[in-house]
Amino acid sequence: DARVTQTPRHKVTEMGQEVTMRCQPILGHNTVFWYRQTMMQGLELLAYFRNRAPLDDSGMPKDRFSAEMPDATLATLKIQPSEPRDSAVYFCASGSRLAGGLLSYEQYFGPGTRLTVT
Amino acid sequence: GESVGLHLPTLSVQEGDNSIINCAYSNSASDYFIWYKQESGKGPQFIIDIRSNMDKRQGQRVTVLLNKTVKHLSLQIAATQPGDSAVYFCAETLSSGTYKYIFGTGTRLKVLA
Repeated sequence: DARVTQTPRHKVTEMGQEVTMRCQPILGHNTVFWYRQTMMQGLELLAYFRNRAPLDDSGMPKDRFSAEMPDATLATLKIQPSEPRDSAVYFCASGSRLAGGLLSYEQYFGPGTRLTVT
Repeated sequence: GESVGLHLPTLSVQEGDNSIINCAYSNSASDYFIWYKQESGKGPQFIIDIRSNMDKRQGQRVTVLLNKTVKHLSLQIAATQPGDSAVYFCAETLSSGTYKYIFGTGTRLKVLA
């Protein structure tokens, strides 16, 4: 049963510290997304990659957030320095533009990383 | 698990009854739509999708209706079960474009025993 995995599941840190969240997309998926979910804003797209190349990171605060895909099995989202307003659940999702020969728009979400910045 | 919103609209339904969850989408050019279910402490999970060349699509116990005239989607769940309790999101995207979704704010479904 292929799943997106995320680590850590929970992170509590102090303001100003660096936070790194990791995601392992489903093997064979060529598109990876990072979302942030808060009570006030709901589910927001931060960035996404296709074939490891960043396609859009317009939803991400550039001064403190960075997203990378060092290889096809790992995506990272870093916040440096972290601030209390970054407290949220961060989801990674993966998908494949071509699934079984057909265009697919389904995104498979990981369990999320709950980040609390104090 | 995480709370996805203290102020989400909530639909309470008796077990065994049918549920209808509504969603207004924002972009008249969107041509692909998905419904996701999110249980407490978990990520959103795909339920059903529909393309704009259709106005209805059925899955197992679920039906999605699309009204492009008024930019409205609905998700119908037949014979609602306790396991259906969750937050439901609609999402829209342009199939010819970037694969980016715009998610709705969500509706919390509570199934009463």
